[in-house]
Amino acid sequence: AQKVTQAQTEISVVEKEDVTLDCVYETRDTTYYLFWYKQPPSGELVFLIRRNSFDEQNEISGRYSWNFQKSTSSFNFTITASQVVDSAVYFCALSEAIGSSNTGKLIFGQGTTLQVKP
Amino acid sequence: DVKVTQSSRYLVKRTGEKVFLECVQDMDHENMFWYRQDPGLGLRLIYFSYDVKMKEKGDIPEGYSVSREKKERFSLILESASTNQTSMYLCASSSPGMNTEAFFGQGTRLTVV
Repeated sequence: AQKVTQAQTEISVVEKEDVTLDCVYETRDTTYYLFWYKQPPSGELVFLIRRNSFDEQNEISGRYSWNFQKSTSSFNFTITASQVVDSAVYFCALSEAIGSSNTGKLIFGQGTTLQVKP
Repeated sequence: DVKVTQSSRYLVKRTGEKVFLECVQDMDHENMFWYRQDPGLGLRLIYFSYDVKMKEKGDIPEGYSVSREKKERFSLILESASTNQTSMYLCASSSPGMNTEAFFGQGTRLTVV
């Protein structure tokens, strides 16, 4: 069975600190997709990044970076120089594939609540 | 700007009522999904649809049904609302294919009293 675990329930940092959100996943599929979503207090989930299982290239986008390691089944997310506006719930999610096509069915972790204090 | 719109942000219903949650997307997506979000559990898939008039059960379908009569609209139905269905409900849509992601609505917070 597929599973996503976000062991950190809540993280609190002071503005400008770096923070890493952990995500560990389980799947028997060889092709799958991993995602990070952000849920601000308004409630809507905002897409941040997608990674395919056959693409382990890590990525940096502004203050965000992602570290995908198939060997440890981890897909961690780092915010550099955090800001108050980064305060939100962050979800890691896994999607199974049919062939190489994303089914769109997401399995979510429990979410990590990030609080950035001024 | 792509949009998934849920008909209500907040709903309060009585036990035993039939409840309709509506979701509309304007991106011409084939896939639509209903999730339920509860503290400590993340989001869980209730039902999904890959085409008009098509529906499939997700991980927690009990007590729910869905309807998809038009491509852009996906309705979640609580046949007889119960207090344990008090939750946040989120609708999402996506396209099939390799490099795709789901877009979510703003959520409906349903309270059953």
